[in-house]
Amino acid sequence: GDSVTQMEGPVTLSEEAFLTINCTYTATGYPSLFWYVQYPGEGLQLLLKATKADDKGSNKGFEATYRKETTSFHLEKGSVQVSDSAVYFCALRDNVQGGSEKLVFGKGTKLTVNP
Amino acid sequence: DGGITQSPKYLFRKEGQNVTLSCEQNLNHDAMYWYRQDPGQGLRLIYYSQIVNDFQKGDIAEGYSVSREKKESFPLTVTSAQKNPTAFYLCASSIFVKDSGANVLTFGAGSRLTVL
Repeated sequence: GDSVTQMEGPVTLSEEAFLTINCTYTATGYPSLFWYVQYPGEGLQLLLKATKADDKGSNKGFEATYRKETTSFHLEKGSVQVSDSAVYFCALRDNVQGGSEKLVFGKGTKLTVNP
Repeated sequence: DGGITQSPKYLFRKEGQNVTLSCEQNLNHDAMYWYRQDPGQGLRLIYYSQIVNDFQKGDIAEGYSVSREKKESFPLTVTSAQKNPTAFYLCASSIFVKDSGANVLTFGAGSRLTVL
């Protein structure tokens, strides 16, 4: 079945450091890929998405590129801030025709940014 | 403002009791979902509903039940048959466009259930 694998955390960085959170996937069809962020005590919010190969999603300084050849969707940010401290989830929706519309999530990566 | 409201935010239950978690949305979304979140395990799908009066089991439906009598509401009942119910429960909704990769989930703030 479909699955998403994220790098295990926690990840601790200093402010202004470069961030990479790795995400790889397996899917039977042509998935859409998503990054969601969860701040402490809250639900998840969409951070960015990409719906086809070579698409780049970006938002709030975060970027991720849909790489079909490596089945990856790594999240990057050039300079993190304390306010980026959160749990980040990679997710996919398989677009096999007639398939269910549910998302499959990775286990999440907790990021802590220190001043 | 449109959004998803989950209640209660915190709930304590004794073993053997059923509890119902509320989820209401005013986004006019067709599809609604319930996920369970446990530390280190990410989100796992319990039930989902793509239209009123219809719902499907997710990956971990045992010990849970749902109903979808109104488009705006998708309550989740955690029954006494659920062996390990202590968890953080998240409700979500989305526009349902079949076979579209663009559907994005909007999440509520969650309900934390603790079994004493």
